[in-house]
Amino acid sequence: GAGVSQSPRYKVAKRGQDVALRCDPISGHVSLFWYQQALGQGPEFLTYFQNEAQLDKSGLPSDRFFAERPEGSVSTLKIQRTQQEDSAVYLCASSAAGTSGSNAEQYFGPGTRLTVT
Amino acid sequence: AQSVTQLDSQVPVFEEAPVELRCNYSSSVSVYLFWYVQYPNQGLQLLLKYLSGSTLVKGINGFEAEFNKSQTSFHLRKPSVHISDTAEYFCAVTWYTGGFKTIFGAGTRLFVKA
Repeated sequence: GAGVSQSPRYKVAKRGQDVALRCDPISGHVSLFWYQQALGQGPEFLTYFQNEAQLDKSGLPSDRFFAERPEGSVSTLKIQRTQQEDSAVYLCASSAAGTSGSNAEQYFGPGTRLTVT
Repeated sequence: AQSVTQLDSQVPVFEEAPVELRCNYSSSVSVYLFWYVQYPNQGLQLLLKYLSGSTLVKGINGFEAEFNKSQTSFHLRKPSVHISDTAEYFCAVTWYTGGFKTIFGAGTRLFVKA
């Protein structure tokens, strides 16, 4: 089926604005991850969902960041009162259920490039 | 705690030459190892993975990697690179902790010259 999709692909926000980034995972994938990738760096973990439950949000950099996945499918990452340091690519990934290593593989979307001016 | 170190930030190489991208990790628990490739303005694509078994794993586009437990390394190799291999390559470590957690290295920029 279709891969992971993200929208918008590019977002320019003025400092102080709120933004919402959307992720559509692969159909049937239980796990969903959000990462932040700064320029020239590897992805950094933000948060993780299993179905609609947010099991780990230890990577969210501040209380301005909020993620939800109300029906266990589509997820939205919201950033309130954006700051320049929030400028980055936000990657979403999904994976199948299960605890074996074969379920550890993540499938990534193309990312949303956020630029805060 | 787990960590991943990619020893080279950039690797320039001529077309058809061999290449090795180095990755070392540390972990207090059992981990799975991955290499991902990222082309400009795209997400990450899986190249190959080590879950268990044979320490030499083969992936897409002619890449392979060898898991070395004693040296805690997972270096990526290709015997002959193409211009199209120019991209950013990320080594990643994943472990299970009530759900899978992944950390990535900082990346190695492979630049293939004609």
